[in-house]
Amino acid sequence: AQKVTQAQTEISVVEKEDVTLDCVYETRDTTYYLFWYKQPPSGELVFLIRRNSFDEQNEISGRYSWNFQKSTSSFNFTITASQVVDSAVYFCALGPEGYQKVTFGTGTKLQVIP
Amino acid sequence: GAVVSQHPSWVICKSGTSVKIECRSLDFQATTMFWYRQFPKQSLMLMATSNEGSKATYEQGVEKDKFLINHASLTLSTLTVTSAHPEDSSFYICSARDRGNNYGYTFGSGTRLTVV
Repeated sequence: AQKVTQAQTEISVVEKEDVTLDCVYETRDTTYYLFWYKQPPSGELVFLIRRNSFDEQNEISGRYSWNFQKSTSSFNFTITASQVVDSAVYFCALGPEGYQKVTFGTGTKLQVIP
Repeated sequence: GAVVSQHPSWVICKSGTSVKIECRSLDFQATTMFWYRQFPKQSLMLMATSNEGSKATYEQGVEKDKFLINHASLTLSTLTVTSAHPEDSSFYICSARDRGNNYGYTFGSGTRLTVV
């Protein structure tokens, strides 16, 4: 069985602060994919990143960065110099090879205060 | 990039009526469509998986006779909520698997259903 845990339900930060959203996963698969999605108040899901289990390189995209640690089954997401537009619910997700059923975490609501 | 168009964005219907939600892949062929439901402040839960031209596979606890899924073409999948009740009020979102999409999933913009 697959499981994704996002222990942080809600986080509030002041604009320009850095913030890290935690994600811990469980799977018995040797090949799998991890995702992060953003859901702004309007409701749509915005794809942020996908990583496969064989690629543990950290990734940076602008103010966003991701830290994949297979040893601790974690895939954390950091926003540097947060902005009000970053306010949203962020979901971490886990999918087996073949893009079948994806399991979502419960989400972390991020509020960036101006 | 790949786009999935989902309509309507929101709908209010009376209890007992049926509502159809459409998802269209605009620039790719969606061999597989996934339908999710999201209750307020909760995560996305997979309801069913449909493959073009075959019957949908429903997750445990999801009533197939209540949530009718049709995936008759490679660009269109529909979810019909039949005899809707207030407890069906939720956010429904579809996701398509694109053969050529390296990311695997493209999500629609979602439909907020309110049953009164």
